[in-house]
Amino acid sequence: EPEVTQTPSHQVTQMGQEVILRCVPISNHLYFYWYRQILGQKVEFLVSFYNNEISEKSEIFDDQFSVERPDGSNFTLKIRSTKLEDSAMYFCASSGTLSGNTIYFGEGSWLTVV
Amino acid sequence: AQKVTQAQTEISVVEKEDVTLDCVYETRDTTYYLFWYKQPPSGELVFLIRRNSFDEQNEISGRYSWNFQKSTSSFNFTITASQVVDSAVYFCALSEDSGGSNYKLTFGKGTLLTVNP
Repeated sequence: EPEVTQTPSHQVTQMGQEVILRCVPISNHLYFYWYRQILGQKVEFLVSFYNNEISEKSEIFDDQFSVERPDGSNFTLKIRSTKLEDSAMYFCASSGTLSGNTIYFGEGSWLTVV
Repeated sequence: AQKVTQAQTEISVVEKEDVTLDCVYETRDTTYYLFWYKQPPSGELVFLIRRNSFDEQNEISGRYSWNFQKSTSSFNFTITASQVVDSAVYFCALSEDSGGSNYKLTFGKGTLLTVNP
């Protein structure tokens, strides 16, 4: 069964450092997403991406965050200067075509900022 | 604005008991989609079911069943004859059909289900 894959599974970084989280969405999907889950809290929407541009972003997704689809398969989330409060599990997700299509999640990348 | 409420923070049952996880949602849209995801201790989010707002039929999949009632804005999830492997956090989520290219999910806070042997 096709799946969304994410790397790394866990990353520890120092405050102020740049981090890039990588994702390979399901191959025929067109919509890509990043969500975040702070430990013990609910999953929150960060950004959605379609047709090589951001279609929507949340208040969390400030100027420190950026997304990119550098080639035909990868979808990345960059945090330019990490803060302690960026420590969370970051989920990449993708969905197929239109209306209410199921959104499939990767296994997550656990980011710890120290 | 859309909102999902899972009032049960934690539920603990003994194996083979039936358990129902509640989900109440708020939306102004007439077209929307409801989801349940399972998050086991390993952390991944596993898709369980998607329902659109025009389909109120209840669904059964093995030991899992879902009761969608628009009149009460609820989409409850029942596990029959629970097993230890069902222990996880279960999230209910809502997606509105904005007609655009984005189908972001709004999640509830989750219900931690512990099934004891």
